[in-house]
Formats: sequence, C-alpha cells, structure tokens
Amino acid sequence: TQLLEQSPQFLSIQEGENLTVYCNSSSVFSSLQWYRQEPGEGPVLLVTVVTGGEVKKLKRLTFQFGDARKDSSLHITAAQPGDTGLYLCAGVWGGSQGNLIFGKGTKLSVKP
Amino acid sequence: ETGVTQTPRHLVMGMTNKKSLKCEQHLGHNAMYWYKQSAKKPLELMFVYSLEERVENNSVPSRFSPECPNSSHLFLHLHTLQPEDSALYLCASSQSPAGAGDEQYFGPGTRLTVT
Repeated sequence: TQLLEQSPQFLSIQEGENLTVYCNSSSVFSSLQWYRQEPGEGPVLLVTVVTGGEVKKLKRLTFQFGDARKDSSLHITAAQPGDTGLYLCAGVWGGSQGNLIFGKGTKLSVKP
Repeated sequence: ETGVTQTPRHLVMGMTNKKSLKCEQHLGHNAMYWYKQSAKKPLELMFVYSLEERVENNSVPSRFSPECPNSSHLFLHLHTLQPEDSALYLCASSQSPAGAGDEQYFGPGTRLTVT
C-alpha cells in the first residue's frame, strides 16, 4: 500500500489543453512538495505547500493543498510541450521522521 | 543546473564488479541523500546523512555501502550487485539537517545497469 497515491499514472494530451493531476493519502502531511522530472534528469522542485487550503500559482501551474492536508492537486492551463515530464508529489508526515515520502508520479506528454 | 552533480551518468557493471557512485553538492547544504528510482515504483530513500553522520539506513542490502567524507561529498560503493539493482540512483541535498522536511535538490542521477 502506497502512502501517496498519484493519478492518473499516464496522461497524453494536445498542446493547449488543460489538465489536473492528483495526489491523495489517508495520512495527514505537515507539508507537501511537487517536483517535475524530465528524462535523464533528477526531479526539480516546483512548489511547497504547507497550510491546509493553500493555493499557489506558478505561471500556468496552480497547486492546491487540501483543507485536511491529506491531498493535493496540480492544474496546468493551456499545456505546452515543455510541460512534458514526470510530476511527483512528496510529503512529510508524522511517521516519516522528517523525510520525504514520494508518490509514483504522473507521466505527462504534451503533443504539439 | 541544481548545484548537485553526479558521476558517472551511466554505468554498466557485472555482478562480480566493484564500483562507486559519486555525488557532490555546491550549495553548502547540511544533509545528503541517496535514492533509488525503479520503473513503476516510487522513489525509495536508501541513506540519509546529516552533518556528515548517517542518520538513516532504510534496510538497504549490505552490497550498497555509503560514505560521506565531508558535507559536500557522498559516495555509494557497490559490490556483488544483482540484476534487480538496475535503476536510476539519485543523490539529493537539503539545507537543513535531515528531518526538517526541507526542499531537496537532486542531481541528474546515475543510470546503473547490472548484467
């Protein structure tokens, strides 16, 4: 059983479409991070959310942390080919001794 | 560039070989990590070093042996690996000592293939 479930696992869309990916858990997280990983590279941090209900925007990306701090979503508006990559959520919870627990990720492909 | 470098980027080794992976961080961070990334699995934390001391070893087989000679360098020594150890090995660092849930900066990884 995974602590962090990400959905969908794979997503293939056309340039200009909108999309949302989800990160869900039954545990409460003190903070949650989103990373993007491109082929042949390591993950790069996009955002950290800490407060329940928090919404953060990064250009066309909107991140939301659930009120109960058990889930998060990433919404991309007007996706571009440069958004292609593996999106990972990672959280810190009471049982992780301060270490990050990662989900499996959502693999996004945006076609021109 | 994230400030974390890893060498080599690709490594093919036989099951009887001994090799080492190297990680260097240029960020002045206090904690360093080794992760294993396999297909269809979440990133698995292998080792954590905080202020040059190992603070966590997540039940990793003894054929993997970490070394942290100083706060900027981290090694992963490999010997008698198995084919199922083939994966992307990622190094990361964070500003705060481990346990703070800090943002992590990852290197590009070493793609390891065990034949």
